Amino acid sequence: AQRVTQPEKLLSVFKGAPVELKCNYSYSGSPELFWYVQYSRQRLQLLLRHISRESIKGFTADLNKGETSFHLKKPFAQEEDSAMYYCALSGRNTDKLIFGTGTRLQVFP
Amino acid sequence: NAGVTQTPKFRVLKTGQSMTLLCAQDMNHEYMYWYRQDPGMGLRLIHYSVGEGTTAKGEVPDGYNVSRLKKQNFLLGLESAAPSQTSVYFCASSYGAVNTEAFFGQGTRLTVV
Repeated sequence: AQRVTQPEKLLSVFKGAPVELKCNYSYSGSPELFWYVQYSRQRLQLLLRHISRESIKGFTADLNKGETSFHLKKPFAQEEDSAMYYCALSGRNTDKLIFGTGTRLQVFP
Repeated sequence: NAGVTQTPKFRVLKTGQSMTLLCAQDMNHEYMYWYRQDPGMGLRLIHYSVGEGTTAKGEVPDGYNVSRLKKQNFLLGLESAAPSQTSVYFCASSYGAVNTEAFFGQGTRLTVV
């Protein structure tokens, strides 16, 4: 079964602290992983995708097929990073885009 | 450039009433999705469409119906609303299913009393 697991509902850190939002997945075949973000009063938007291997707003995520994980990391959190973060999965074996339950990141000053 | 637009933004229904949520996209996308967002449960896929005239069930399709008569529109219907359908509904569209970005609407907050 295709599944995305985000074990943390809430992650609270202070400004300048490192952040890691966890994402694990279950998928038969080669998955495509994404991180979407929803800032307060805004619509969901793509943050980054694993195939691009890019850093967006200081965030990076590495696909680890051995551990079936796609954790989102940032070395120094900023207050403006406070938002809801969703990990999502798709791939050639599915025509769906499946989301995890989301993690709310709170960055305190 | 409107992107993905949902109508209405807010609605209160009585139990048993029916309604249709409209999603419109102007990006010529093939794929369209309807999700519901509930606290602690994330985004759950209700129904989706891979092209005009096609629909398919997602994770939580019961109590909902959809239609994709035109490529740019994806309608979500509630025939007999129940309090359990109180949620925020999001529509999304994408060019394809493989490594493509999904664009979301602003959401519809539905309350069933």
